[in-house]
Amino acid sequence: DQQVKQNSPSLSVQEGRISILNCDYTNSMFDYFLWYKKYPAEGPTFLISISSIKDKNEDGRFTVFLNKSAKHLSLHIVPSQPGDSAVYFCAAFHYNTGKLIFGQGTTLQVKP
Amino acid sequence: EAGVTQSPTHLIKTRGQQATLRCSPISGHTSVYWYQQALGLGLQFLLWYDEGEERNRGNFPPRFSGRQFPNYSSELNVNALELEDSALYLCASSLVPSGNHNEQFFGPGTRLTVL
Repeated sequence: DQQVKQNSPSLSVQEGRISILNCDYTNSMFDYFLWYKKYPAEGPTFLISISSIKDKNEDGRFTVFLNKSAKHLSLHIVPSQPGDSAVYFCAAFHYNTGKLIFGQGTTLQVKP
Repeated sequence: EAGVTQSPTHLIKTRGQQATLRCSPISGHTSVYWYQQALGLGLQFLLWYDEGEERNRGNFPPRFSGRQFPNYSSELNVNALELEDSALYLCASSLVPSGNHNEQFFGPGTRLTVL
């Protein structure tokens, strides 16, 4: 039962262009959605989050959009930089369980 | 401020043995979470401890267990190891168990290999 899905295992973009990472979920009861970034041999690091009652949150080059009717969220990175190359995990959070449910991850490669 | 620390970095065991993994949360954090990332899979929630109590567990067999100590550090124990237990085990901590967005800070992980 994959409640959070990232259907694109990888994405390659040119430096300076926009990166769009997508995520779909099935449970409409999630309270928050988060994006984590992971480099090899390191734990995931928090990037940005969005409450289920909002549809957009922006932090510098990172913007997360939430479409509740479609049960879809996306992370936009603009402009993309080579240092953004990493695995990006989408995660959903429900207060009652305390757990983060992660997608499978999308490997982003930003080419110079 | 020190981040979440985990030990050991790598652990090699054979089938049937027991493994003990350790985690120290960020100072002041009371909640500790354990996740498993098996090869080719995303992170799977294992356990959540808060104030010394197990609050929730994921869909894992009982041979996965753990505890949280009074100083909020935590241990994950895996008994009767099986080959498919080989994975990266990540520990995370958070300030409050049900905060506004529950930002969990992750450690670097312990790579468990079962031969």
